[in-house]
Amino acid sequence: GDSVTQMEGPVTLSEEAFLTINCTYTATGYPSLFWYVQYPGEGLQLLLKATKADDKGSNKGFEATYRKETTSFHLEKGSVQVSDSAVYFCALRMGNQFYFGTGTSLTVIP
Amino acid sequence: DADVTQTPRNRITKTGKRIMLECSQTKGHDRMYWYRQDPGLGLRLIYYSFDVKDINKGEISDGYSVSRQAQAKFSLSLESAIPNQTALYFCATSDSRQGSYNSPLHFGNGTRLTVT
Repeated sequence: GDSVTQMEGPVTLSEEAFLTINCTYTATGYPSLFWYVQYPGEGLQLLLKATKADDKGSNKGFEATYRKETTSFHLEKGSVQVSDSAVYFCALRMGNQFYFGTGTSLTVIP
Repeated sequence: DADVTQTPRNRITKTGKRIMLECSQTKGHDRMYWYRQDPGLGLRLIYYSFDVKDINKGEISDGYSVSRQAQAKFSLSLESAIPNQTALYFCATSDSRQGSYNSPLHFGNGTRLTVT
């Protein structure tokens, strides 16, 4: 069945470090892919999305490219800030169904 | 996202009690969902509704029931709460209108439920 596997955390980085959170997916067709961010005490917020192969989603300095050949949608940011500390979820939509990864906790230290 | 409102934000209840969590939305979306979040398990789907007359079970519906009172309202009930239902519960919406087939889920801020 359709599923999402993302890198386990927690991840701890120093401010201004480079971030990669890996996400791979299994899907029977052509899904849309999403990254959500959850700040403490809040719900999940859409961070970025890509709806077809080779699309690049970007927002707030974060980027992810939909790679059909490797079934991946890795999240990257060139220089993280303390305010990026949160839990990040990779997700896919296939038809009417959504599938989520288990989340990766990121802590950025000054 | 203030467009999806969940009440209460926090609730502590005792084993065996009936409890209802409420969700309302002003986004005009037709589809609504209830998820449960547990540490290390991510999000798991409890129930979803594609319109007022359409209710579907998710992967973990046992012990829960739902009611879609209107397009904008979707409530989740625990008929007899048990401690392993302690979790963070999220309501979400999505839009199925033409051109929205790739639209994301929009989440409320969650209800933290503790069953003692």
